[in-house]
Amino acid sequence: GAGVSQSPSNKVTEKGKDVELRCDPISGHTALYWYRQRLGQGLEFLIYFQGNSAPDKSGLPSDRFSAERTGESVSTLTIQRTQQEDSAVYLCASSQPGGGGTDTQYFGPGTRLTVL
Amino acid sequence: SQQGEEDPQALSIQEGENATMNCSYKTSINNLQWYRQNSGRGLVHLILIRSNEREKHSGRLRVTLDTSKKSSSLLITASRAADTASYFCATPLGGSNYKLTFGKGTLLTVNP
Repeated sequence: GAGVSQSPSNKVTEKGKDVELRCDPISGHTALYWYRQRLGQGLEFLIYFQGNSAPDKSGLPSDRFSAERTGESVSTLTIQRTQQEDSAVYLCASSQPGGGGTDTQYFGPGTRLTVL
Repeated sequence: SQQGEEDPQALSIQEGENATMNCSYKTSINNLQWYRQNSGRGLVHLILIRSNEREKHSGRLRVTLDTSKKSSSLLITASRAADTASYFCATPLGGSNYKLTFGKGTLLTVNP
């Protein structure tokens, strides 16, 4: 089926406003990941969802960041009271755990967030 | 924290030439992955090599892994303009099977 999709593709917001980013994983993929990529940098892990297990939130940089996932489908990443340092591309990925080691993650095109 | 680091930061070659990128990492890993990111696009998984493998091929790609030196290399043979992209190595973070850490990447430019 289709790949991972993300919306919006671009988001410009003012400092202090809340933003919500959406990710639609590949159908049937039980694992979903959020990463952040600052300009010229590699990806930073933010959060991981796997089925009905408690999410791994260890990468969230502050309590202004939160994410939810409904079952094994759509996920939203919410950033409250945005700051200029939140400007980055936010990438979502999904995978189908096959056991026995690291699973291939399939990435969406990302949402470019600019905080003015 | 960042685990892998790619070298060089940027590489410019002519179409048809081979391109070699290197990745060094700090702690023991059970696998290493390479990804490609075109300008304005998401990442695409290229290849995964496990710690018990020394070399792996996929089309024009050849990946090596030297666990004693904690390094990996990605070789792209007979490069094409469409290979122009940033290439990242990714390693498991903290022994996790799902948390990946990425380096800053190598920007490869293939000139027609």
